[in-house]
Amino acid sequence: GNSVTQMEGPVTLSEEAFLTINCTYTATGYPSLFWYVQYPGEGLQLLLKATKADDKGSNKGFEATYRKETTSFHLEKGSVQVSDSAVYFCALDTGRRALTFGSGTRLQVQP
Amino acid sequence: DAMVIQNPRYQVTQFGKPVTLSCSQTLNHNVMYWYQQKSSQAPKLLFHYYDKDFNNEADTPDNFQSRRPNTSFCFLDIRSPGLGDAAMYLCATSRGIPSRGSYEQYFGPGTRLTVT
Repeated sequence: GNSVTQMEGPVTLSEEAFLTINCTYTATGYPSLFWYVQYPGEGLQLLLKATKADDKGSNKGFEATYRKETTSFHLEKGSVQVSDSAVYFCALDTGRRALTFGSGTRLQVQP
Repeated sequence: DAMVIQNPRYQVTQFGKPVTLSCSQTLNHNVMYWYQQKSSQAPKLLFHYYDKDFNNEADTPDNFQSRRPNTSFCFLDIRSPGLGDAAMYLCATSRGIPSRGSYEQYFGPGTRLTVT
């Protein structure tokens, strides 16, 4: 079956530090991959996506590259801000109209 | 702005007392989803509608029902809430037509349900 594995949190960084949140997946076929962000008390917002191998999704300084050979979609940001503190979910879609989510990684950025 | 709206944002109900959560959308999307999210966990899909076609996940308890009277609205009914049903309930929509192979989903802000 399909599954998504994310690194466990919380990830605690100082402002302006480099961020990596690892995500690997198992899926049949050729899934689309997503990163969603959830701020405290709110719903999920789509952060970025990639629909085929070697695609790079980017938004608000965040990037992730779809690596089929390593079945990975790691999230990166060069310089985090306190406002980036949130929970980040990696997810995949194999065309079933349903997302499979990872367990989420909490990011805490300290001033 | 086109969006997904959930009401209420916070709902308190008593053990065993039926409760209904509502979701509306101005995106004119074909597909509407209901997810349950417990603290520090990933959202768990309960069911979704593709137009009027209802799709229940195999492990969704019978206690959870849904109605979609028209394209814009979808309701989640919990017939007899238990303490274990306290969670955030998220509504989401998608176009139902893959855009470059994906069904991108748009989420509402969620309703946090407390069961006393």
